[in-house]
Amino acid sequence: DAGVIQSPRHEVTEMGQEVTLRCKPISGHNSLFWYRQTMMRGLELLIYFNNNVPIDDSGMPEDRFSAKMPNASFSTLKIQPSEPRDSAVYFCASSFGDHQETQYFGPGTRLLVL
Amino acid sequence: GENVEQHPSTLSVQEGDSAVIKCTYSDSASNYFPWYKQELGKRPQLIIDIRSNVGEKKDQRIAVTLNKTAKHFSLHITETQPEDSAVYFCAAVPGGGNKLTFGTGTQLKVEL
Repeated sequence: DAGVIQSPRHEVTEMGQEVTLRCKPISGHNSLFWYRQTMMRGLELLIYFNNNVPIDDSGMPEDRFSAKMPNASFSTLKIQPSEPRDSAVYFCASSFGDHQETQYFGPGTRLLVL
Repeated sequence: GENVEQHPSTLSVQEGDSAVIKCTYSDSASNYFPWYKQELGKRPQLIIDIRSNVGEKKDQRIAVTLNKTAKHFSLHITETQPEDSAVYFCAAVPGGGNKLTFGTGTQLKVEL
């Protein structure tokens, strides 16, 4: 298996632009997680889905962030409009099951908002 | 919600020595505690985990202990090697859920 796939790996954009991050979970996994990692705040869970349904989005910072999972093999995290404070590494992770299962992380998307 | 504290934030040891990283959690309902290792510029990867029905688990040079009464758990690495240098994160998951709350990380440096 190729593991969790994320794209793009790096993104540089200007403040105010829309940013879309993409994730393909491991085949057969039915839980998907979006995390943000910064030096100041560490690793934070933004949102997670189970069977394509959002279960907990309490970590989504504000209305500028939105996430979708239209099917079992694809999810997006969108930031519109982007701001410099959104600069971070965004990780997607997936797991099989919805109860305390091992989460496998993707390689991350390094986002820089100028 | 759950709050996980992790200490120390940095740890430097000599090759061959042992390293211990400690975490405490606040939610008594948490009963799954994974540890992740993150090398510079890489993704976090699970190295060991423990569930609340056991007090200790070992896997070669790494071990994790859990004290549910005190709500703390620890990672022990013996015979450290330079390739153990990385940031280590503890995490806690409440019962019936799948939401990881991470500690703030420990930068481990193994010196030759």
